[in-house]
Amino acid sequence: GENVEQHPSTLSVQEGDSAVIKCTYSDSASNYFPWYKQELGKRPQLIIDIRSNVGEKKDQRIAVTLNKTAKHFSLHITETQPEDSAVYFCAASEGAGSYQLTFGKGTKLSVIP
Amino acid sequence: NAGVTQTPKFRILKIGQSMTLQCTQDMNHNYMYWYRQDPGMGLKLIYYSVGAGITDKGEVPNGYNVSRSTTEDFPLRLELAAPSQTSVYFCASSPGGGKNIQYFGAGTRLSVL
Repeated sequence: GENVEQHPSTLSVQEGDSAVIKCTYSDSASNYFPWYKQELGKRPQLIIDIRSNVGEKKDQRIAVTLNKTAKHFSLHITETQPEDSAVYFCAASEGAGSYQLTFGKGTKLSVIP
Repeated sequence: NAGVTQTPKFRILKIGQSMTLQCTQDMNHNYMYWYRQDPGMGLKLIYYSVGAGITDKGEVPNGYNVSRSTTEDFPLRLELAAPSQTSVYFCASSPGGGKNIQYFGAGTRLSVL
């Protein structure tokens, strides 16, 4: 099955700086890569996703990049704000066309005011 | 729409007791999932269902059972609770049909003592 590695496990940034979280995956057939944000005590919520036919996707201050050759994808958050503090999870589909996701272990992002 | 609803929110069980975690969705989604989330370990898939009457094991199915008699409901059964089943359990659903996005319930925090 798919294996997803996520780094770093914790990340602290000053407010206004950028944050980057990286994930690698093992199955070259995976074609869907979502990112979820989970605030303390809350449910995971999708913030952005990308499919394997796209190299980059942006939504305001967040962006995701995908390198299929290297089998890694990254989340970029610019102009970080205190409300960005949360745990972020990357995930990859279990092969092409699968509706199952394998999740990384998460990155705890702290934005220091 | 309520989305994905889980009950109960919290539960304490004694070793050997049984219980059912309830999950219902009102989005007419074909796919439903049960995950457990342990601290620092991300989300691990317990069971999933691709439609009424069809279920399959995920990564960590031991000690659990599921059923899917209707599109809306996907209960998770713990037969003989063990301390290793102390965790936060999330139910999720996705529409299928090329749309992979998973929508999560608010979670059930279970302690087995």
